[in-house]
Amino acid sequence: EVQLVESGGGLVQPGGSLRLSCAASGFTFSSYAMSWVRQAPGKGLEWVSAISGSGGSTYYADSVKGRFTISRDNSKNTLYLQMNSLRAEDTAVYYCAKDTYSSSERTRPLNAFDIWGQGTMVTVSS
Amino acid sequence: AIRMTQSPSSFSASTGDRVTITCRASQGISSYLAWYQQKPGKAPKLLIYAASTLQSGVPSRFSGSGSGTDFTLTISCLQSEDFATYYCQQYYSYPPTFGQGTRLEIK
Repeated sequence: EVQLVESGGGLVQPGGSLRLSCAASGFTFSSYAMSWVRQAPGKGLEWVSAISGSGGSTYYADSVKGRFTISRDNSKNTLYLQMNSLRAEDTAVYYCAKDTYSSSERTRPLNAFDIWGQGTMVTVSS
Repeated sequence: AIRMTQSPSSFSASTGDRVTITCRASQGISSYLAWYQQKPGKAPKLLIYAASTLQSGVPSRFSGSGSGTDFTLTISCLQSEDFATYYCQQYYSYPPTFGQGTRLEIK
């Protein structure tokens, strides 16, 4: 079964740091680009960051550029999001999501997200 | 960034109804459009990608159409499990962006 399981969320003070993890199973992790998408309480979905299957290409939303870093360890089938200089507006459920197509199938750098994790809550508050 | 606008933002319908949700992109996105369903406290679920391709395992009562800037999601015969929030998303260019969501409620 294809599965993504996030962890690492919690309560952090403004200006603090947190690292989220997303453990993948059931597919060839290194062949798929991965993304982080967040959802503030009662709000819609906002894409945060993406990384290619090899890890060689990364992309960020303007709202987190310079503060968040996406990375992956393909030997551990795990995706990460290092979040620094956290702000109240970063409070959200953070989901990891898998690209629809593998690196051998994809014809373009961006695709829909076919598998999502259950999410991990990040609360930034003093 | 490409802006995605859904309409309506919410509406009520009854089991068995045929419903249509629309999504408009602020610029042409070809057919690089996906639809997701989200239930309270759950992760989004991919329903349709490439504007009209049904994701594996999704019931055939869901269908999508459109290209360029205007898209629709149609549910042909509402079932009780379809009451949820629906989001469109463009993946034509970075950053991928979502519509604000359409909340479908039971009448």
